[in-house]
Amino acid sequence: DSGVTQTPKHLITATGQRVTLRCSPRSGDLSVYWYQQSLDQGLQFLIQYYNGEERAKGNILERFSAQQFPDLHSELNLSSLELGDSALYFCASSVVPDTGELFFGEGSRLTVL
Amino acid sequence: GENVEQHPSTLSVQEGDSAVIKCTYSDSASNYFPWYKQELGKRPQLIIDIRSNVGEKKDQRIAVTLNKTAKHFSLHITETQPEDSAVYFCAASDDKIIFGKGTRLHILP
Repeated sequence: DSGVTQTPKHLITATGQRVTLRCSPRSGDLSVYWYQQSLDQGLQFLIQYYNGEERAKGNILERFSAQQFPDLHSELNLSSLELGDSALYFCASSVVPDTGELFFGEGSRLTVL
Repeated sequence: GENVEQHPSTLSVQEGDSAVIKCTYSDSASNYFPWYKQELGKRPQLIIDIRSNVGEKKDQRIAVTLNKTAKHFSLHITETQPEDSAVYFCAASDDKIIFGKGTRLHILP
């Protein structure tokens, strides 16, 4: 158990819909990261937050947005869903940003039909 | 931005032999290079990391080497065992941690 909690574990929805993925980081970790893992596409960096502020952005689509709340949990919002958005979405947290171990959650598997 | 290339995408080695996975990165400002192992259906977990002021680091059967001039780093696994079968990801970090596309390692009996 990494200490990072992601909900829901599985989500099936239709094209055009909107979903919210939630992540609770390890106790004491201020940095939260979101990654997308598609088949054979590795771990694509989406966005990073540090203590409530956006710190770095990757290849995150405009249809996607995220935020980190004062209690440090984070949400990733995916809207106008397309078939190609089907993937495993990982949240990770770390004590220090960028140069420390990432602790990954179990992931949220999104299937868009 | 940073780009990390990882080779090979698939690697099969006989149990007991060594495995080597290589990565290159593009951003010379990157200073942290972790390696993660992802077993089937599981989350990625850190197995070893190296920082830019070090050329080599070893932890039991696992070692990582870094060549900052050439901007490449490698993972070496010696005396491979069945439990080493997994997908391995390299990463490079300056202001964000960017992963390679992964290497699927098969250990053959």
